[in-house]
Amino acid sequence: GAVVSQHPSRVICKSGTSVKIECRSLDFQATTMFWYRQFPKQSLMLMATSNEGSKATYEQGVEKDKFLINHASLTLSTLTVTSAHPEDSSFYICSARVVDRRTNNHHYNEQFFGPGTRLTVL
Amino acid sequence: AQTVTQSQPEMSVQEAETVTLSCTYDTSESNYYLFWYKQPPSRQMILVIRQEAYKQQNATENRFSVNFQKAAKSFSLKISDSQLGDTAMYFCAFMIDTGNQFYFGTGTSLTVIP
Repeated sequence: GAVVSQHPSRVICKSGTSVKIECRSLDFQATTMFWYRQFPKQSLMLMATSNEGSKATYEQGVEKDKFLINHASLTLSTLTVTSAHPEDSSFYICSARVVDRRTNNHHYNEQFFGPGTRLTVL
Repeated sequence: AQTVTQSQPEMSVQEAETVTLSCTYDTSESNYYLFWYKQPPSRQMILVIRQEAYKQQNATENRFSVNFQKAAKSFSLKISDSQLGDTAMYFCAFMIDTGNQFYFGTGTSLTVIP
């Protein structure tokens, strides 16, 4: 259980276009999802926290008009990179907190991660 | 503010040997969770082991165990009988009990040498 998927796994786009990345929790409800960015050989950098039905909370230095996040349901969050530029090329990872369906409590405060999306902007 | 420090950017170990990865953290919170995640070349983040701060007993998961020293704010990972599949980046992570955010260390790249 606790599987998180991301689509697409890789995307190449031209500068100036927008790219949407989907993050889905496949077998559990995720009231909170997280979006990270990872540069080569570096750690994960939290971009934003996405709560179902409300606006995302962005970390300092992350442009919310550039990185649009929508958490429309308990199993889906999307990250849209608008007007992408080469400096947006990176590995984007989402994660979700597991909610115990029986108690509605977060399970061990654990996050399960998607497999990531590699974005290349030409 | 919470910080997580991994002071070993790269490490290597011979297959079947034991290796210890270091992690220290800084927090004023008393209730929190600590994690070790593995990121192999596939880039998928995999939970290796977790530790609740209120538990004194060190967590173990098969070949993986931790040495949790709460007073010293230290959380090292020991990998016994290292296998080639253990080659990966290892991230130490911290989360306060009432919070949402994970704080990650900078990672340790571990190579298991055949």
